[in-house]
This record gives sequence, structure tokens and C-alpha cells, in this order.
Amino acid sequence: ETGVTQSPTHLIKTRGQQVTLRCSSQSGHNTVSWYQQALGQGPQFIFQYYREEENGRGNFPPRFSGLQFPNYSSELNVNALELDDSALYLCASSRREPGTDTQYFGPGTRLTVL
Amino acid sequence: GESVGLHLPTLSVQEGDNSIINCAYSNSASDYFIWYKQESGKGPQFIIDIRSNMDKRQGQRVTVLLNKTVKHLSLQIAATQPGDSAVYFCAEGGFGNEKLTFGTGTRLTIIP
Repeated sequence: ETGVTQSPTHLIKTRGQQVTLRCSSQSGHNTVSWYQQALGQGPQFIFQYYREEENGRGNFPPRFSGLQFPNYSSELNVNALELDDSALYLCASSRREPGTDTQYFGPGTRLTVL
Repeated sequence: GESVGLHLPTLSVQEGDNSIINCAYSNSASDYFIWYKQESGKGPQFIIDIRSNMDKRQGQRVTVLLNKTVKHLSLQIAATQPGDSAVYFCAEGGFGNEKLTFGTGTRLTIIP
């Protein structure tokens, strides 16, 4: 186990709704990255948070947004859900220092959009 | 890191044999490479990593080889066990590791 936790485990929403996913980073880690993994594919980078600010973003629209809190936990918010948003959402925590930036993943949140 | 849909490359290996999983990465500027193992219904699990200033790194039963000339990465697993059955992903990152770009993934099946 990595010590990275995510909630909820599963979630079912309908098109147009909004969703918030949560992630608690591993003890000692100060950086959280979010990934989307569609069925049968590799994870795709959404964005990363460091010191409560977005630090890099992948090719995802603005309706994907996030937050990082002082305790380094993080939220991923998705507005105006679309069917293609159905995926496993993964967060990964790391410690942003030279040579110690391995990303450790949580178990993921399975989002189904109907 | 382009996806190829549901048809992952597959590799079947007899229990106890060695396995080699290959990966071609895309960005010659990538500085950091990682192998992850993902079991069904779980998040990716870190196996081993290597930086671009190395060409080989060994862990417990695993070895990663990096060939920067042809942008190729491989994972060798020695004496495979049933618990090694999973999908294996290579990932590449830059110096600051803001973003990991994942490869296609290879499904490894260990035959008892």
C-alpha cells in the first residue's frame, strides 16, 4: 500500500452534473498529480498541484479543475459531465525535491457517467 | 503515450521463467523513466525507476534497461510468479516530473 487514499471508490453521475473527487497524499509528500485512465488505456495526465497551485496541466478542458489544501490533500472537480468522462481517476503523490520525485498512486475513483 | 484501445499487447510466460517487457518512449528530452504494475481494479504500483544518466538499474527480481539511442526501455522480471500477472506500464517524465506520460501497457500472464 502506498498510503495514498482516494474517495469515493465508485461514483455514478448523469450527463451535465458536477463531481468532486478527493485524494489524501502519502505522509511527507507535498505534490499531488491527477490522471484519467479510460478502460484499456494508460493513465493520461490531467494536472499537478504543488504548494496549493496548479503546476502543469495536460490536454483537458477548463471544466476539469482542482484544489490543493495546506495539508497537501487535493480535490478534482469536473463540471458539466460528459459520457466520455467515464473513467478511473487516479491521484498520485510525490515529494518535490531533487531525486525523490517518484509518483505513488492511490487506488482510484471509478466514475461512471450515464 | 498514445492509447491503443482495448487491445493491449500481451505476453504469456511460464511460471519460473524470466520475462522481458519492452517499451518505446516518445520524448528524447525525457529524463526519468518508471515502470508501474497495475492489477485489475487497482491503481498503478511503482516497480522501479531509472534516470537518463544510467542505462541499467536492478531491484528485487527486476531489472530496467534504458537505451537512449533508440528511445527504448525494458523491464526484466526474473523467476516469474503468479502474482506477477498484471498490466505493466512504462512512463516517462521530465526533470521536474510535473507530468508522466504513460505507454500503451503490456498484459503479462503467468502460466502455472
